[in-house]
Amino acid sequence: GAVVSQHPSWVICKSGTSVKIECRSLDFQATTMFWYRQFPKQSLMLMATSNEGSKATYEQGVEKDKFLINHASLTLSTLTVTSAHPEDSSFYICSARGNGYTFGSGTRLTVV
Amino acid sequence: DAKTTQPTSMDCAEGRAANLPCNHSTISGNEYVYWYRQIHSQGPQYIIHGLKNNETNEMASLIITEDRKSSTLILPHATLRDTAVYYCIVIAGNQFYFGTGTSLTVIP
Repeated sequence: GAVVSQHPSWVICKSGTSVKIECRSLDFQATTMFWYRQFPKQSLMLMATSNEGSKATYEQGVEKDKFLINHASLTLSTLTVTSAHPEDSSFYICSARGNGYTFGSGTRLTVV
Repeated sequence: DAKTTQPTSMDCAEGRAANLPCNHSTISGNEYVYWYRQIHSQGPQYIIHGLKNNETNEMASLIITEDRKSSTLILPHATLRDTAVYYCIVIAGNQFYFGTGTSLTVIP
């Protein structure tokens, strides 16, 4: 079945630094990828939708200059959290649309 | 925005069928109903999806009402490993929003 690999699974970074999260579709091509953020005991909140080769579409309230999304190929999308602050600490999850919608295993970001 | 409403939580006895309802009264004709579940600190796992007809796979059954305004996910013989948050999602094109989900607890 379709597999989406997300790395790293967890990361701790210092406030003010940037962190890059990768999302790869391993056995299918994903023309569309989604990025979500999830706070404890809450549902997944869609941050942005990205199509290969074009700019991502961000949801209202999500700062595009802070959360940089690159979808340069049909199998890879990256999310970079720039100048991270403690309030950016969260669980970030990607999803890739192929024959269905497959999710990565998530990245736990802790900013200290 | 999510187009579904689900009960916040449910309990089910191990070995019994778990029936998880979902309301999607504003669903459009070309929108699919998808079900995913999320076990703590993991990515959501696909369960099943459907458009009009009832569907069954190795994990679950999906019953969609004739007017398509609601559906029920059925786990026929719930096990402790089925304890998770279950999300019912209405999808059309690239609109993929999660609602609050139902936290299912399977009790020994």
